[in-house]
Amino acid sequence: DTEVTQTPKHLVMGMTNKKSLKCEQHMGHRAMYWYKQKAKKPPELMFVYSYEKLSINESVPSRFSPECPNSSLLNLHLHALQPEDSALYLCASSQTRGGSSYEQYFGPGTRLTVT
Amino acid sequence: AQTVTQSQPEMSVQEAETVTLSCTYDTSENNYYLFWYKQPPSRQMILVIRQEAYKQQNATENRFSVNFQKAAKSFSLKISDSQLGDTAMYFCAFMNQRMGNTPLVFGKGTRLSVIA
Repeated sequence: DTEVTQTPKHLVMGMTNKKSLKCEQHMGHRAMYWYKQKAKKPPELMFVYSYEKLSINESVPSRFSPECPNSSLLNLHLHALQPEDSALYLCASSQTRGGSSYEQYFGPGTRLTVT
Repeated sequence: AQTVTQSQPEMSVQEAETVTLSCTYDTSENNYYLFWYKQPPSRQMILVIRQEAYKQQNATENRFSVNFQKAAKSFSLKISDSQLGDTAMYFCAFMNQRMGNTPLVFGKGTRLSVIA
């Protein structure tokens, strides 16, 4: 099973709303990632979790708050977003130490629109 | 810091023909991975092929193969017998081999259209 799932598929929220994106994988991967992707652009890294600990935060504004409750789940909590935050949010996972390869497997993404 | 350059923003190819997508990268590391990812209009990012830098043999996956030139820091993707389903954005990506949670560095992508 090489599947990463993300919910919801689409999300429309106002600038004062609080919402959460969810990502799940059952491949035993211990590294999980959040990316933001604008149309016709490559994904931009936001956060990396390794063994449920935040290891990389690419200077993301505090209105984005990641959470890794266990080794299979990754959440992204959203609060007071701006219209320019509208994008496709991709989750990915990969093996860490001891793996023979470290390719990242991506979920289908959540398309976020901030009104 | 590593950089990845894809110099062809858009390409097109006739169905059943062969097309080559270019990618160059810059790094001072000796051990790393290179990947090609495909993102069709449905937006799911799919791994197409990967290459370990220490391997001299070029990777092949069915109709997809790479030409890896380590000294020239070049990593091109060849798609043989192109199919309509190959229409997608293709991203070349670099990853340092030091640790498994090292982020991917993406190129800007090449939009490939396969024409019937």
